[in-house]
Amino acid sequence: EADIYQTPRYLVIGTGKKITLECSQTMGHDKMYWYQQDPGMELHLIHYSYGVNSTEKGDLSSESTVSRIRTEHFPLTLESARPSHTSQYLCASSTNRGSYEQYFGPGTRLTVT
Amino acid sequence: SQELEQSPQSLIVQEGKNLTINCTSSKTLYGLYWYKQKYGEGLIFLMMLQKGGEEKSHEKITAKLDEKKQQSSLHITASQPSHAGIYLCGAPSSGTYKYIFGTGTRLKVLA
Repeated sequence: EADIYQTPRYLVIGTGKKITLECSQTMGHDKMYWYQQDPGMELHLIHYSYGVNSTEKGDLSSESTVSRIRTEHFPLTLESARPSHTSQYLCASSTNRGSYEQYFGPGTRLTVT
Repeated sequence: SQELEQSPQSLIVQEGKNLTINCTSSKTLYGLYWYKQKYGEGLIFLMMLQKGGEEKSHEKITAKLDEKKQQSSLHITASQPSHAGIYLCGAPSSGTYKYIFGTGTRLKVLA
């Protein structure tokens, strides 16, 4: 069973607030990812990291930023939340060795009012 | 860029019926992964296929990858309400660290 955690699970916040979504994994995986998922099911990659101090933007334009100071920790920050940021955010990790299956956290459901 | 298209988009079946979900890639796959998601939760890895013609089964779920490695199918035999959820195929994007997912199939099983 994969050990990847996200907090908070649910967050309702007002416009303009700064928020950080936490993601941690205890598997020692090098690669970590943040996805945004619409109600229509599709996952959109917004950030990924292939190791400490290495982060890249994904395909979906996002006003969020990420950091990877430690292998196990990959937080996502929104400096000024807007209603358009309302979504489900999923964090995932995978190994560098051979197989590429991803292990997902339970997600954070963000609502910006 | 590589894309994964799934069909059907949604599926409602009676308990006990068989069903198939398809995933088609715009480029040759270097591995195809199937995931299941329950509403409001993260994805759970189901199966991985890497070789052309490969087939894997787990309980009542069978996944296949075609010889050309551009299409995969997920077949559920004698469906149960516990099979309900969203099924997504995923694959590493060729030449990058990125990962892409299919458009998703929402399955509902009526008891």
